[in-house]
Amino acid sequence: ETGVTQTPRHLVMGMTNKKSLKCEQHLGHNAMYWYKQSAKKPLELMFVYNFKEQTENNSVPSRFSPECPNSSHLFLHLHTLQPEDSALYLCASSQDSGRPSYEQYFGPGTRLTVT
Amino acid sequence: GQNIDQPTEMTATEGAIVQINCTYQTSGFNGLFWYQQHAGEAPTFLSYNVLDGLEEKGRFSSFLSRSKGYSYLLLKELQMKDSASYLCAVRDRDYKLSFGAGTTVTVRA
Repeated sequence: ETGVTQTPRHLVMGMTNKKSLKCEQHLGHNAMYWYKQSAKKPLELMFVYNFKEQTENNSVPSRFSPECPNSSHLFLHLHTLQPEDSALYLCASSQDSGRPSYEQYFGPGTRLTVT
Repeated sequence: GQNIDQPTEMTATEGAIVQINCTYQTSGFNGLFWYQQHAGEAPTFLSYNVLDGLEEKGRFSSFLSRSKGYSYLLLKELQMKDSASYLCAVRDRDYKLSFGAGTTVTVRA
């Protein structure tokens, strides 16, 4: 595996379900990110982890809960979601979130549909 | 909050040139990125500008004017595979990256 991988690629869940999204990066990076991408809207940053420590929570509702057990893995735990949470969830990584020039590498995303 | 504006859609002919403009108003500035995103795929990095001027990379060039809060991405010798969404993103003083909504470019034969 190379780059940034995400599983599952598609997920349909009911509002009372609990599910988790997984992201893994094989680039030796130290920073990982969760973004939400809705149609015709800008990418919205949700969470940032740098060296396994959460450095940013962009006012995300508590029904989204991130977990970063090590620099290579990032999870997004989902529970009691709303239909408006349906979107593409993108994971990204970079060398270090504190260095301005480092670009982010994105995974293919999980297409989430909440019914 | 941050404000990043770019056109929603552009259409051009194969072999032509297209210029995608991006204007921004952010809390400080620590660089501007352009990403390409094909439908259903991950965004991929195209360019990074932190100083004023033009950065050229093959058929793609990116320009930055910090005093004007303005950048453009220039795509030359357009190919069908260049049909995609192009995202402008700006890093602010806290190194937070904010994205524009993206410009969908359609290349026609």
